[in-house]
Amino acid sequence: DVKVTQSSRYLVKRTGEKVFLECVQDMDHENMFWYRQDPGLGLRLIYFSYDVKMKEKGDIPEGYSVSREKKERFSLILESASTNQTSMYLCASSLGTSGTDTQYFGPGTRLTVL
Amino acid sequence: GNSVTQMEGPVTLSEEAFLTINCTYTATGYPSLFWYVQYPGEGLQLLLKATKADDKGSNKGFEATYRKETTSFHLEKGSVQVSDSAVYFCALSPSSNTGKLIFGQGTTLQVKP
Repeated sequence: DVKVTQSSRYLVKRTGEKVFLECVQDMDHENMFWYRQDPGLGLRLIYFSYDVKMKEKGDIPEGYSVSREKKERFSLILESASTNQTSMYLCASSLGTSGTDTQYFGPGTRLTVL
Repeated sequence: GNSVTQMEGPVTLSEEAFLTINCTYTATGYPSLFWYVQYPGEGLQLLLKATKADDKGSNKGFEATYRKETTSFHLEKGSVQVSDSAVYFCALSPSSNTGKLIFGQGTTLQVKP
């Protein structure tokens, strides 16, 4: 079974702090994704990566950056956390860039910024 | 642009009732279509998918048919169980083959015994 793990289930940070969310997948997948999930808005893509050291902006990249130094690990960085970044963050991975590939999701990190 | 619209929730049904969750999409070309499910406290997992027009995806008693003429991918189940209570997301992958998914807003299903 594919396993996608995220470093924390719950996180509380203060405004202005630098926040790191870590994601690791164990199936040698090429693609990795970061989404945020908000009620009534579904999932929105923040960034994705289709190879080590490669990244592409998603639909809502403002206020975020990412890092992919190793194939299995994809980090989401909030340079200076703000209250409007309070959300559920979901990481996913997929085998390749085929439009038919299944994305496998981690359990999510619920981030609260005070 | 590409978008997915799902029916508003929450949907509340009694056990063994028939379920329909509507999903329509806007896309250029020939996208692939997916239903993902999120059980309480968990991440999303794939429920079913269809990759071309008139394909029917099915899994765990759920099914959905890719209807290009009506740009729809409605989810159905003949007899729901309490364990089906979850949030259901319709999604499309554009035909540009980037591997990206575009999600609908999600529909919460609550099944009562």
